[in-house]
Amino acid sequence: DQQVKQNSPSLSVQEGRISILNCDYTNSMFDYFLWYKKYPAEGPTFLISISSIKDKNEDGRFTVFLNKSAKHLSLHIVPSQPGDSAVYFCAASSSLVFGAGTILRVKS
Amino acid sequence: GAVVSQHPSRVICKSGTSVKIECRSLDFQATTMFWYRQFPKQSLMLMATSNEGSKATYEQGVEKDKFLINHASLTLSTLTVTSAHPEDSSFYICSARSQASGANVLTFGAGSRLTVL
Repeated sequence: DQQVKQNSPSLSVQEGRISILNCDYTNSMFDYFLWYKKYPAEGPTFLISISSIKDKNEDGRFTVFLNKSAKHLSLHIVPSQPGDSAVYFCAASSSLVFGAGTILRVKS
Repeated sequence: GAVVSQHPSRVICKSGTSVKIECRSLDFQATTMFWYRQFPKQSLMLMATSNEGSKATYEQGVEKDKFLINHASLTLSTLTVTSAHPEDSSFYICSARSQASGANVLTFGAGSRLTVL
């Protein structure tokens, strides 16, 4: 049973536009969520996180929104850049539970 | 920043042989390291938690006799895939937490691509 789900396997966005990556979770006990970015043949790197006591966290072009009642979080990237093209993983519970990842392609 | 080094990055072996993958924290000490496995187009699956000086904790469904984990020092954990079979072919990634990164953030190695012929 997947506790963290990323239902969109891929997303294609034009450079300069907003990228929105979504993540749903089932375990209401999760109190911390993270987004990691992964390039091919490399390990994931930490991008941004949010505690369950917040509903928004912003870091430059990256903003994570958390809707606890819906058990949903999303990562917004604006403006999107070609270098953002990668696989994005949503993680919960101190990075021990990962979603399946979403491949983001930013077209120039 | 925290750096985790993983070696080898790629390994090809014959069926029935054993393969060892090393995970080192280069600039910090890690009492706990984590081993993940990633199948193509699938999520990172936590295999086990490696504890320095004690036995690893394996996730449900992971064979501890198949995937031997040793964490002999504060900077090194090893994963040995014993009697490897083609179905063990996968991308194995280790990670660790550093104080600098914070309690919830993991620093990952670059991964090891294992191909069993």
